[in-house]
Amino acid sequence: EADIYQTPRYLVIGTGKKITLECSQTMGHDKMYWYQQDPGMELHLIHYSYGVNSTEKGDLSSESTVSRIRTEHFPLTLESARPSHTSQYLCASSARAGGYNEQFFGPGTRLTVL
Amino acid sequence: DQQVKQNSPSLSVQEGRISILNCDYTNSMFDYFLWYKKYPAEGPTFLISISSIKDKNEDGRFTVFLNKSAKHLSLHIVPSQPGDSAVYFCAASRSGGSNYKLTFGKGTLLTVNP
Repeated sequence: EADIYQTPRYLVIGTGKKITLECSQTMGHDKMYWYQQDPGMELHLIHYSYGVNSTEKGDLSSESTVSRIRTEHFPLTLESARPSHTSQYLCASSARAGGYNEQFFGPGTRLTVL
Repeated sequence: DQQVKQNSPSLSVQEGRISILNCDYTNSMFDYFLWYKKYPAEGPTFLISISSIKDKNEDGRFTVFLNKSAKHLSLHIVPSQPGDSAVYFCAASRSGGSNYKLTFGKGTLLTVNP
């Protein structure tokens, strides 16, 4: 079973607040990812990281930022939350592999911005 | 432009029968395909995968078939159980270059009735 953790699981917050969604994995994976998913829609990659001090934006534009100071930790920050940020945020990780890429997901954070 | 398509938003089957979930892709560079299962308020769980050098991969009750010429894959679940009720996502990636990225479909909600 994959050991990847996300906190909080649910967050309801007012507009304009700064929030940080936490993601940690204990598998020693070098690659980590953040996805955003709305009901009935596909998962959209918003950030990824190859390793420590490496972060890139994903396919879906996002106002959030990420950091990767430690291998196991990949937090996502929203400086000023807005209702349009309401969504489910999923963190994932994968191991260094020459070929293919099985990503393991955390339980997600359901964010609601009022 | 959606590169991975799951055209059936939902599927309902009787317990003990076969469930067949379908997925089509448009990018011929994809060479590795994965199926994930997702319960509400949880992260996706990896189920089974297949590389393009194969046309079938089996794991217990789950079998994935790949038809490269048709750019089509399917997931068969036999026999279906009520605990299989969840959203199933098809995902695709390509080796080399951006092999870390997964492109997801919108998912199919499977309901297995007792």
